[in-house]
Amino acid sequence: DAKTTQPPSMDCAEGRAANLPCNHSTISGNEYVYWYRQIHSQGPQYIIHGLKNNETNEMASLIITEDRKSSTLILPHATLRDTAVYYCIVSGAGGTSYGKLTFGQGTILTVHP
Amino acid sequence: DAGITQSPRHKVTETGTPVTLRCHQTENHRYMYWYRQDPGHGLRLIHYSYGVKDTDKGEVSDGYSVSRSKTEDFLLTLESATSSQTSVYFCAISDPPGRTYEQYFGPGTRLTVT
Repeated sequence: DAKTTQPPSMDCAEGRAANLPCNHSTISGNEYVYWYRQIHSQGPQYIIHGLKNNETNEMASLIITEDRKSSTLILPHATLRDTAVYYCIVSGAGGTSYGKLTFGQGTILTVHP
Repeated sequence: DAGITQSPRHKVTETGTPVTLRCHQTENHRYMYWYRQDPGHGLRLIHYSYGVKDTDKGEVSDGYSVSRSKTEDFLLTLESATSSQTSVYFCAISDPPGRTYEQYFGPGTRLTVT
């Protein structure tokens, strides 16, 4: 699976959009980009995933560049409860990958009042 | 929230004793995973299962074994616990509708080996 690079930490004001970048320059054609977050000591929470098109769900939007070498997770109106560690993960789909995820250090997002 | 429970939630045990952690799901998901999380290492995959009695090793499987005799239960066993296995253990489940494997995690088990 391709390696990802994320900034170690970011700050955001409550109510503003939080834009979390991720570089995955070695991503291959059949690999998806997944985003998870972990709030304090809870289990990680799935947020969103995408292959090459931009995706949106009730939690966030995922923007993937045309060359697929980077992506941005957007939380449109951050709240204090969005303070967490955000993980960008690239993983294959189907076949023998069985969805195995490789977690890096992630980005610590702190939302300020 | 996905119906995933882990038991026990906290355990303190002594070096050399066997320990079994249980992950129970009510979602009828086919895939189940065990991860451990340590400071400075993030989450690392220990073992996973892609069906009843079908399991395979992950990144850090040494010292651990697993069993899955029913769809809903995935057991992680430390045959002889060591201090290096002090960690937080998370179970996850997945049931890909197509080609992707979104995983849903349990609340975790904090294990301390003294």
